[in-house]
Amino acid sequence: SQQGEEDPQALSIQEGENATMNCSYKTSINNLQWYRQNSGRGLVHLILIRSNEREKHSGRLRVTLDTSKKSSSLLITASRAADTASYFCATADYNNNDMRFGAGTRLTVKP
Amino acid sequence: DTGVSQNPRHKITKRGQNVTFRCDPISEHNRLYWYRQTLGQGPEFLTYFQNEAQLEKSRLLSDRFSAERPKGSFSTLEIQRTEQGDSAMYLCAGQESSYNSPLHFGNGTRLTVT
Repeated sequence: SQQGEEDPQALSIQEGENATMNCSYKTSINNLQWYRQNSGRGLVHLILIRSNEREKHSGRLRVTLDTSKKSSSLLITASRAADTASYFCATADYNNNDMRFGAGTRLTVKP
Repeated sequence: DTGVSQNPRHKITKRGQNVTFRCDPISEHNRLYWYRQTLGQGPEFLTYFQNEAQLEKSRLLSDRFSAERPKGSFSTLEIQRTEQGDSAMYLCAGQESSYNSPLHFGNGTRLTVT
């Protein structure tokens, strides 16, 4: 069963703009992770934020986590056409540590 | 390259046949996960292992699905009496022993049941 829900389901922007994707989840977690997937390929890990962290940066990526609202956001700044992909959040459940994914956001960056 | 390999990359089978997929993580991956993904959806959790122990199996998984990790290294996922609804991408991911570590995915096995 899925754990998280990403919003929006699809996002289309121009190169150079910022892209924001949101993730909501249901249970208590140890951490939340964001992944990227290009069509027909496996998922690639982008960033991990622990439950006691509120914000984390990695290059052009910024992730926030609000455990009181059970939500996270992924911001990609200065987007590039190569950022076109599906983005998924995944949560490590607090009790059993298994990793559950949301349905993803399909990002299209137009050159 | 994540170091996780899955074989075969593609499998076409007729309904009712059995299929087996293999996943080879790297030696540091104490945990191993199997997911199923259909077009436009996120990975759906199937099962995961801590070394050779299968710790959890999705309640949505029918009895036709079974997974093993006999020596805590490679893993196999078998589907018996395949149905058309089993057509999907099957993804394997390895993880180091800490749950605060990322998953490393293989490129998946795409199953088509005709």
